[in-house]
Amino acid sequence: AQSVTQLGSHVSVSEGALVLLRCNYSSSVPPYLFWYVQYPNQGLQLLLKYTSAATLVKGINGFEAEFKKSETSFHLTKPSAHMSDAAEYFCAVSEGSGGGADGLTFGKGTHLIIQP
Amino acid sequence: NAGVTQTPKFRILKIGQSMTLQCAQDMNHNYMYWYRQDPGMGLKLIYYSVGAGITDKGEVPNGYNVSRSTTEDFPLRLELAAPSQTSVYFCASSHTGTGAEGYTFGSGTRLTVV
Repeated sequence: AQSVTQLGSHVSVSEGALVLLRCNYSSSVPPYLFWYVQYPNQGLQLLLKYTSAATLVKGINGFEAEFKKSETSFHLTKPSAHMSDAAEYFCAVSEGSGGGADGLTFGKGTHLIIQP
Repeated sequence: NAGVTQTPKFRILKIGQSMTLQCAQDMNHNYMYWYRQDPGMGLKLIYYSVGAGITDKGEVPNGYNVSRSTTEDFPLRLELAAPSQTSVYFCASSHTGTGAEGYTFGSGTRLTVV
């Protein structure tokens, strides 16, 4: 069974500063990994995904994440935070190409706060 | 616009009442999912379906039922509502079971049981 741990339920950064949201996973098989973003009162939107191709993945809105198998991590970064980045971010894992149909396992989420 | 449509957006139920949360998608996805989201807890899978006529339990199925009579629709039924079912419910669909191409989420149903 897979699981996801997101370090920090709240992260606060200044506008223009580096954004780093941490995600560690466990999986008994090569995983697929995802970051989703949720804006207030909306559903989740796919930000980026790792599906066993390049380990550095670029997503929408200037975000990127790097898959590090040795560290079982998939941290999300953005060089310069913008006020519009304020949202809830979820890391998720599935069992990859050999997995079943029972969906993604989500972390508990990290609320990103952008200080002006 | 193509996507996942959930109704209603908000609902208040009294303890013991029942209701059905509707979910419909127009992308011809075989895989559909119901999650509940509670503050600080992320999303928990309630039920999922791999196609019309096939459903299975997720992590937190107690108190809920589902059906999948068509590819498009995946309603979630709450029988005998309890305060513990106060939550935000999301329906999602995907082309594959691994979600490799990403899930499409509905905008959610905010349910309060009083």
